[in-house]
Amino acid sequence: AQSVTQLDSQVPVFEEAPVELRCNYSSSVSVYLFWYVQYPNQGLQLLLKYLSGSTLVKGINGFEAEFNKSQTSFHLRKPSVHISDTAEYFCAVPVAGGTSYGKLTFGQGTILTVHP
Amino acid sequence: DAEITQSPRHKITETGRQVTLACHQTWNHNNMFWYRQDLGHGLRLIHYSYGVQDTNKGEVSDGYSVSRSNTEDLPLTLESAASSQTSVYFCASSSTSGMNTGELFFGEGSRLTVL
Repeated sequence: AQSVTQLDSQVPVFEEAPVELRCNYSSSVSVYLFWYVQYPNQGLQLLLKYLSGSTLVKGINGFEAEFNKSQTSFHLRKPSVHISDTAEYFCAVPVAGGTSYGKLTFGQGTILTVHP
Repeated sequence: DAEITQSPRHKITETGRQVTLACHQTWNHNNMFWYRQDLGHGLRLIHYSYGVQDTNKGEVSDGYSVSRSNTEDLPLTLESAASSQTSVYFCASSSTSGMNTGELFFGEGSRLTVL
């Protein structure tokens, strides 16, 4: 089964600073990768996804991620964060390759806290 | 707009009681999932269904059951609640048609406390 590891449990950052949230995956098959965001007391929503093609993926709210096959990484970045980006972020991969029709394995989550 | 509705949003129960968490989706998705979220564990899959009358066990299925009698609903039942089942539960759905990407659509969660 595929798995993901989020390397940071908490990331504090000041407003307007850049941020990178790190995610590594383990897979020997074709990879689809996802980043989800969870705002306080809400469900998760899709931030961006990599299915194929360009390794640089752009998502909502100014976030982007780069798929790096050689390093088995899918790090999430934003050049300038806002207070409203404070949330928990999850990296996810299909359990058994392909899309698995939504049967995903999630990382442990990274809490991003943006300070004024 | 299509959505997933979970109820109740908050529930407190006692050890040994049976509890059912409801999930209703209007996306007309074939696939439905139940995850639990615990600090330090991310989300873990409990049960899932790929269609009516289909149910499958996930990573942490012990003590839980689901049934799928129609497309819209996948209730999650805790047969005899235990303190270890105190958690936040999320229902999600996904499509199998068209350009299926495996994207999940989530409800807002049900916070369960077992005393």
